[in-house]
Amino acid sequence: EDQVTQSPEALRLQEGESSSLNCSYTVSGLRGLFWYRQDPGKGPEFLFTLYSAGEEKEKERLKATLTKKESFLHITAPKPEDSATYLCAVQARSGGSNYKLTFGKGTLLTVNP
Amino acid sequence: DSGVTQTPKHLITATGQRVTLRCSPRSGDLSVYWYQQSLDQGLQFLIQYYNGEERAKGNILERFSAQQFPDLHSELNLSSLELGDSALYFCASSAGTGGFGYTFGSGTRLTVV
Repeated sequence: EDQVTQSPEALRLQEGESSSLNCSYTVSGLRGLFWYRQDPGKGPEFLFTLYSAGEEKEKERLKATLTKKESFLHITAPKPEDSATYLCAVQARSGGSNYKLTFGKGTLLTVNP
Repeated sequence: DSGVTQTPKHLITATGQRVTLRCSPRSGDLSVYWYQQSLDQGLQFLIQYYNGEERAKGNILERFSAQQFPDLHSELNLSSLELGDSALYFCASSAGTGGFGYTFGSGTRLTVV
């Protein structure tokens, strides 16, 4: 069974204080690893897709990296508007048209001004 | 606006009742997914439809059912509702090919009293 574990559960940073969120996963053949951002009461918003170990993607202050067992979401010089829950999900190479995502429980990031 | 439309946004109903949640996928997307998000469980996959056919089932209770219509919109039916069914229900859609992740709607918040 595919599993995703995110740590820490919650992280509080000062504005400008860089840090990283961790996503450990086990999956029977990785098709893709996804990062989403979710604001309270809203649907998850897509950030990145990573497909193979060594791959990196960047968007503004966020950078996602992937190894064979985990992914990191690095946040450089965060701002209060980066406060949200960050979700990691994996998609297994299940075949056919089954594109189910297995999500972690998320990391609640709070950035104080 | 993600392009995935969910109605209603909020629903309050009594235990034992039945409700229907509706989802219109993003234009051109053939797959629709339903997820349940509760505080303790995180995002849990319920069921996937692809071009009108059921493709995958997750942790969906027997009291719950779904279908996808010829115009590709989908409905999730929840019956014999219990207090524990209170949660956010999200619909997502994808093109169904390539596995590039998918787009979520803004969700329906169901409260069972």
